[in-house]
Amino acid sequence: EVQLVESGGGLVQPGGSLRLSCAASGFTFSSYSMNWVRQAPGKGLEWVSYISSSSSTIYYADSVKGRFTISRDNAKNSLYLQMNSLRDEDTAVYYCARDRQFKVTTVTSYYYYGMDVWGQGTTVTVSS
Amino acid sequence: DIQMTQSPSSLSASVGDRVTITCRASQSISSYLNWYQQKPGKAPKLLIYAASSLQSGVPSRFSGSGSGTDFTLTISSLQPEDFATYYCQQSYIYPYTFGGGTKVEIK
Repeated sequence: EVQLVESGGGLVQPGGSLRLSCAASGFTFSSYSMNWVRQAPGKGLEWVSYISSSSSTIYYADSVKGRFTISRDNAKNSLYLQMNSLRDEDTAVYYCARDRQFKVTTVTSYYYYGMDVWGQGTTVTVSS
Repeated sequence: DIQMTQSPSSLSASVGDRVTITCRASQSISSYLNWYQQKPGKAPKLLIYAASSLQSGVPSRFSGSGSGTDFTLTISSLQPEDFATYYCQQSYIYPYTFGGGTKVEIK
């Protein structure tokens, strides 16, 4: 079964740090790019960060740039999010999600991307 | 960043109704548009990718259309399990951005 399982969430004070992990199973983790997406209580979805399969390409949302670091260990089938200088507004459920490439062929072929496998989420609460 | 605007933000409908949700991008994103369904306390689920391609295992009552800046998600005959919140998301360029969501409630 294709599965992603997040862990590492918890309660942390403003300015503190936390490291989230995402364990992948049931697929060849090293072949897929990965994302972190978060959802504040009662709010919508916010993309946080992306890492390519080889870690050669990394992107961050402006809201976390300079504070969060995404990484992966393909040998351990694991994705990570190191979160430093945490703020109240970082309180959210954090999901890891697989970035899947879809080939769509009409007259020509195009490649599209979607997040097709998601973990159950881990809750991060930043509060004093 | 590309802004994604969904409408309506919520709607009430009955089982069997045809439901349409609209998503507009602040610039052209070709067909790089995905739709997700999220139920309370659960992770989002990919329904539609590339604006109109149905993800494996998703019922055929779900369909997507559009390209450029204007997109639509249609549920042809609403079922009890379809009451949820729906999000559009552009995958044209990073940062990926989501619409604000449309909550589909029971009338």
